[in-house]
Amino acid sequence: ILNVEQSPQSLHVQEGDSTNFTCSFPSSNFYALHWYRWETAKSPEALFVMTLNGDEKKKGRISATLNTKEGYSYLYIKGSQPEDSATYLCAFIWGFNKFYFGSGTKLNVKP
Amino acid sequence: DTEVTQTPKHLVMGMTNKKSLKCEQHMGHRAMYWYKQKAKKPPELMFVYSYEKLSINESVPSRFSPECPNSSLLNLHLHALQPEDSALYLCASSHLLGVGNTEAFFGQGTRLTVV
Repeated sequence: ILNVEQSPQSLHVQEGDSTNFTCSFPSSNFYALHWYRWETAKSPEALFVMTLNGDEKKKGRISATLNTKEGYSYLYIKGSQPEDSATYLCAFIWGFNKFYFGSGTKLNVKP
Repeated sequence: DTEVTQTPKHLVMGMTNKKSLKCEQHMGHRAMYWYKQKAKKPPELMFVYSYEKLSINESVPSRFSPECPNSSLLNLHLHALQPEDSALYLCASSHLLGVGNTEAFFGQGTRLTVV
């Protein structure tokens, strides 16, 4: 079992704050890194699929970067809104579509 | 249709019961997955099916028996479970395009309680 770590475990911010979290993963045998957003009582939804070192992806106010050589990815949220409140999971994909998830960062954005 | 549908949403079963969890998708995905998530832990991979054949079993106890009767359906048959098997069971599906090049789509999960 591969170790995928996310930090912080939880984050409380005010509406309008910008924030970022980290996903650390093994730097050898990299295939892909995914970010998912999981709102309470809903299904996890994919935000980004990242496959190349140096990848930077953006979707609205959310963006992510990838460093496969040192084994980390950052997720940034600019100007957090209450609807951004969710758990953000990263998944390190290894071998034949084996997803190893981090334990997530739970974000709470207060109005 | 980008939905993965899981039924039931909640299930309470005794340790001697036999029950099944069901998962359905109509996105043409040929990879389907079962995950187990305990509270405050990451989802853990249990099984992967590709082209309706079991390709990965992560050393899951035999009291969990997966089945993929066709390309749209995935079942998880449960028998003689223990209270520690109580968890959220998530189903997911994805295309098989390279390794990890395509996102997984998840169901909402079945919350299982074993009494």
